[in-house]
Amino acid sequence: DAGVTQSPTHLIKTRGQQVTLRCSPKSGHDTVSWYQQALGQGPQFIFQYYEEEERQRGNFPDRFSGHQFPNYSSELNVNALLLGDSALYLCASSLGQGSNQPQHFGDGTRLSIL
Amino acid sequence: AQTVTQSQPEMSVQEAETVTLSCTYDTSESDYYLFWYKQPPSRQMILVIRQEAYKQQNATENRFSVNFQKAAKSFSLKISDSQLGDAAMYFCAYGGNTPLVFGKGTRLSVIA
Repeated sequence: DAGVTQSPTHLIKTRGQQVTLRCSPKSGHDTVSWYQQALGQGPQFIFQYYEEEERQRGNFPDRFSGHQFPNYSSELNVNALLLGDSALYLCASSLGQGSNQPQHFGDGTRLSIL
Repeated sequence: AQTVTQSQPEMSVQEAETVTLSCTYDTSESDYYLFWYKQPPSRQMILVIRQEAYKQQNATENRFSVNFQKAAKSFSLKISDSQLGDAAMYFCAYGGNTPLVFGKGTRLSVIA
C-alpha cells in the first residue's frame, strides 16, 4: 500500500523563477493538504484540496497556487520565487476535508532559492 | 485563531526512562482533535497519537500516552521505556473547523 509520494525530493531555483511540486496521496485518500516548513519551525498550512477545489487556504500570497486532479493527485505552484520561499514543502493526504482526520505526510520537497 | 505552544525547544531522556513533552493550545471551539506528530531526520511526519476533545479518556498507543486536560487546554505526551528510535522532533497539532495548526516542536534526544 503506497503512502504519500512527493516529487522531486530536492529542488534548487533562483529568485523570480517558478516551481511546480507534485504529490500523490495515499491509496484511498481523497484530500490533499500542502504545508510549508521553514528550518526549525513547525509546518504552516498553505491550502487544502478536496474534489478538485481549493477548500481552505492559509495566510499565503496568491503566488502560491495549486491544483487537484481527478485521480486525487495534486500540484503546488509557486511563482516569482523569493529567498524566503526556501523551505521544506510537505504534502499530506487524508480521507475527507477538514483537519479532524489523521493526515498522512510525504517525505517533502526541499526547495532552495539562490 | 487557534494557537499551539510547545514551551520546551529541547528535551533529553535516558534510554528506557520516561519523558513528558508539554503542549498547550488556545481555542474557542468545543469540538476538536489534538495530535502528536514525530518527525525524524528522514523528514517524514508520522502520526504518533490522536485525541478527540469530547472523549475524557486519555489516548494511548503502546509506549505513548497523553494527559489531556481540556479545561486547562493542555495536551502532554508521555513516552515510556524510551528507545533510541524515539529521537526526533515532536510536534503538537490542533485540528478542528480550521486547518491543522502546529506548534514549533520539541527536539527529543535519547541518550544510550
